[in-house]
Amino acid sequence: QLQLQESGPGLVKPSETLSLTCTVSGGSISSSSHYWGWIRQPPGKGLEWIGSIYISGSTYYNPSLKSRVTISVDTSKNQFSLKLSSVTAADTAVYYCAKPGNYYVVFDSWGQGTLVTVSS
Amino acid sequence: DIVLTQSPVTLSLSPGERATLSCGASQTVSSSYLAWYQQKPGLAPRLLIYDASSRATGIPDRFSGSGSGTDFTLTISRLEPEDFAVYYCQQYDRSPYTFGQGTKLEIK
Repeated sequence: QLQLQESGPGLVKPSETLSLTCTVSGGSISSSSHYWGWIRQPPGKGLEWIGSIYISGSTYYNPSLKSRVTISVDTSKNQFSLKLSSVTAADTAVYYCAKPGNYYVVFDSWGQGTLVTVSS
Repeated sequence: DIVLTQSPVTLSLSPGERATLSCGASQTVSSSYLAWYQQKPGLAPRLLIYDASSRATGIPDRFSGSGSGTDFTLTISRLEPEDFAVYYCQQYDRSPYTFGQGTKLEIK
């Protein structure tokens, strides 16, 4: 059974870059899905799609975050990653990595999520 | 951006009752590209419905979705104790792929 696990620092200083990695286990990242995505959820609030990556490396970002987001994939490590630059307190959230099913932004498998707090 | 407005914000019902949750879109959602998720405290969301009315793998048939255009509904025919959670709708017609603010289904 496919499993996703986010990892990275839980605390990031304002103006710095948030970096998270999603490790896929139970299957090859290349064959399990062609797309992979990141979604976030501020504490007590709703969900926000951050962006998605095609296994070839093509990326699709939320326009509201596009200038600060980079998503990449490393098939040799069965991982994909998120970088969000120039963070502020508004970027404090639980960050989820996820795999879509029938459509590239409809997610049927999720990691457990990791809380990232932006604070000095 | 397509704004999704869910109603009610909170729904208080008892096990065994029928739940009807609504999701209204600020623009037409083409081809019924709308999904529903369930989220329990401390857990990741779980996909319930996609294409407005198709159940995801393993989802009980007490969950059903309907609607088109700008008005969509998630119905839980007979509530089980494990159904009390927050429900989100999501449109995937056009980027940015937005979610509603959620409906909290609580035990009365």
